[in-house]
Amino acid sequence: AQSVTQLDSQVPVFEEAPVELRCNYSSSVSVYLFWYVQYPNQGLQLLLKYLSGSTLVESINGFEAEFNKSQTSFHLRKPSVHISDTAEYFCAVSSRGFQKLVFGTGTRLLVSP
Amino acid sequence: DTGVSQDPRHKITKRGQNVTFRCDPISEHNRLYWYRQTLGQGPEFLTYFQNEAQLEKSRLLSDRFSAERPKGSFSTLEIQRTEQGDSAMYLCASSPPRGTVEETQYFGPGTRLLVL
Repeated sequence: AQSVTQLDSQVPVFEEAPVELRCNYSSSVSVYLFWYVQYPNQGLQLLLKYLSGSTLVESINGFEAEFNKSQTSFHLRKPSVHISDTAEYFCAVSSRGFQKLVFGTGTRLLVSP
Repeated sequence: DTGVSQDPRHKITKRGQNVTFRCDPISEHNRLYWYRQTLGQGPEFLTYFQNEAQLEKSRLLSDRFSAERPKGSFSTLEIQRTEQGDSAMYLCASSPPRGTVEETQYFGPGTRLLVL
C-alpha cells in the first residue's frame, strides 16, 4: 500500500518570501510523484510531476520540487510567492504499474501582503 | 478540446434520493477515474476504467454506488438512496493510454453534492 504525508495543514507566508511545502511518501514499489493545486470550489490542476530522469522538476510559474528517494520526500518550493499562489496544494503518488493516485491531506498556502 | 468536463457542477438532494453525475474525459484519453473529496481532505480513489472496462473499485464504493462507461467515452456515477455522508466533491480525471510519455491524470472541475 502507498501513503502520502503532508505534515503542514496550513502554511502562512508573506508575499515575496520563500516557501517550502513538505511531502513524504511510503511505497514498496517505484513511484511517480505529483503536486496538484486546488483553488476554491475548483478541481485539481497539475503543478508538476516526477516520472523519471532529473530529480529536480519545475513548473511554469516558478515552483520546483525535488525527488529524494533516500528520504522518500518530494518537497515543493518557491523562492518568492505571490498573493495569487494562495491555494490548497496536494502531493500525490502512484505506482508505475497503475495510475491510481494516492493523495495527502493537503497544505493550505496563505500568502498575505 | 478544453479538458475534462463534469455535469452538474452542483447538486442538492434530499436523503434517500438517487443522483447521477456525468464525466466527459479528454477525447484521446482511454482511462478514466472517479475520486471523492470531503472537506479538508485529499481526494480518495473510487474507481477506474480503461476504455469501457471497469478495472478496479475501491472499498469506498459501496453497493449504493455504480459507475459505467458504456462506450468507452463519457462515464456516469450513480448514487442510490443517498445519505448525508455522501456529501462531498466528486472528481473525475482522465489520462492517455498506458505506456505513453504523458503518465498524468487531468481533473475536471468536480460535482459538489449536498445531501440534506
